[in-house]
Amino acid sequence: DIVMTQSPLSLPVTPGEPASISCRSSQSLLHNNGYNYIDWYLQKPGQSPQLLINLGSHRASGVPDRFRGSGSGTDYTLKINRVEAEDVGVYYCMQTLEAPYSFGQGTKLEIK
Amino acid sequence: QVQLLQSGGEVKKPGASVKVPCKTSGYTFTSYGITWVRQAPGQGLEWLGWISPYDGNTKSSEKVQGRLTMTTDTSSTTVYMELGSLTSADTAVYFCAKVGVPGTILGRGYYMDVWGKGTTVTVSS
Repeated sequence: DIVMTQSPLSLPVTPGEPASISCRSSQSLLHNNGYNYIDWYLQKPGQSPQLLINLGSHRASGVPDRFRGSGSGTDYTLKINRVEAEDVGVYYCMQTLEAPYSFGQGTKLEIK
Repeated sequence: QVQLLQSGGEVKKPGASVKVPCKTSGYTFTSYGITWVRQAPGQGLEWLGWISPYDGNTKSSEKVQGRLTMTTDTSSTTVYMELGSLTSADTAVYFCAKVGVPGTILGRGYYMDVWGKGTTVTVSS
């Protein structure tokens, strides 16, 4: 099974500053079709998770362009250009290359 | 709009089974799979399994395989997740989520675009 490892697990950020979350997979998520099979989700406090990014870098409908996914192979990054108060919550990466799909442990973003 | 409605909660004794419904609406039921994810108290997300409402094809995590049964009712556009032989380790919020791409075999890239609010399952003697 593919293991997803996120860092950091806790991320205090000042509003207006950038933030970066790393996700490493135990095997490459880059398929020979050129797609990276990794998604990013945000779970805001008391809510269900919501899709932010799929296929490594495609923002979901309605997601602000301050969110950017990048990476290839086994190393991926979610960057938030300028953090806003509404961005607090737990961010998860998830691989969808092969079943069983698997999530990272989550990164809790909080406002300083 | 697309909606996935889940009931509030269930309390079960160890060794019992729980059947959690996920009522869907707002899209073509048989075209998109449903994924089940759970979250233990204070913990992260765990992928449990996927079902295709088109033909009932399923795929589940080895961790719950043998205890997890996923079914669908096309007449009511409802998907069910049944978990048996419950232990305290199964205490969690169980989410259903619609897959964002059509398909009848669990393939690559099956992201979840709409989620239910979750059903809390508590296992306690």
